[in-house]
Amino acid sequence: DQQVKQNSPSLSVQEGRISILNCDYTNSMFDYFLWYKKYPAEGPTFLISISSIKDKNEDGRFTVFLNKSAKHLSLHIVPSQPGDSAVYFCAATDGTSGSRLTFGEGTQLTVNP
Amino acid sequence: EPEVTQTPSHQVTQMGQEVILRCVPISNHLYFYWYRQILGQKVEFLVSFYNNEISEKSEIFDDQFSVERPDGSNFTLKIRSTKLEDSAMYFCASSRDRAPYNEQFFGPGTRLTVL
Repeated sequence: DQQVKQNSPSLSVQEGRISILNCDYTNSMFDYFLWYKKYPAEGPTFLISISSIKDKNEDGRFTVFLNKSAKHLSLHIVPSQPGDSAVYFCAATDGTSGSRLTFGEGTQLTVNP
Repeated sequence: EPEVTQTPSHQVTQMGQEVILRCVPISNHLYFYWYRQILGQKVEFLVSFYNNEISEKSEIFDDQFSVERPDGSNFTLKIRSTKLEDSAMYFCASSRDRAPYNEQFFGPGTRLTVL
């Protein structure tokens, strides 16, 4: 199942800089996208979402961009903080009655002080 | 802040035994889900549940699996006869709304180890 793909298993950035995490999808029926953050031994924590009718959604330091024609979304974190170090999952849903989320593989973000 | 809770945090069982994983969703949420993550793999959807019935299930969710909301607060996943390949982290999630405005909130997970 490769419907949602995060091609970078890891990303390392300096504190204060921008972190950009990328996600690609293949299913054109997906119409709602979410980013989750996960610390070890915890469940995924919802961060930010975007509907397919928008191309940008911002919440504090987190901004998600959606490029529907490219089937690509990205999460920008600025400025990055050491506490942002975690695994970030991209997820998508197609709005069917079951509301299943399809997840990417995750990207391990490390923010160095 | 309300949160999803899961018990136990770690369950060890013998192959062929039945296990029940328990979850308490956020109290005003109406939609409930189970996901699992096998070590080193993606988080995978198992089942969604609304109004006391299954809304959708994945191909993983075969006859060995069942879900139940036995009372107003608990949501359980039962595996009737565990296999080695059922070893995984199992996450319960809940949401207030259905798709598309569908932020699902996850519990901390139960690590199931099948020996």
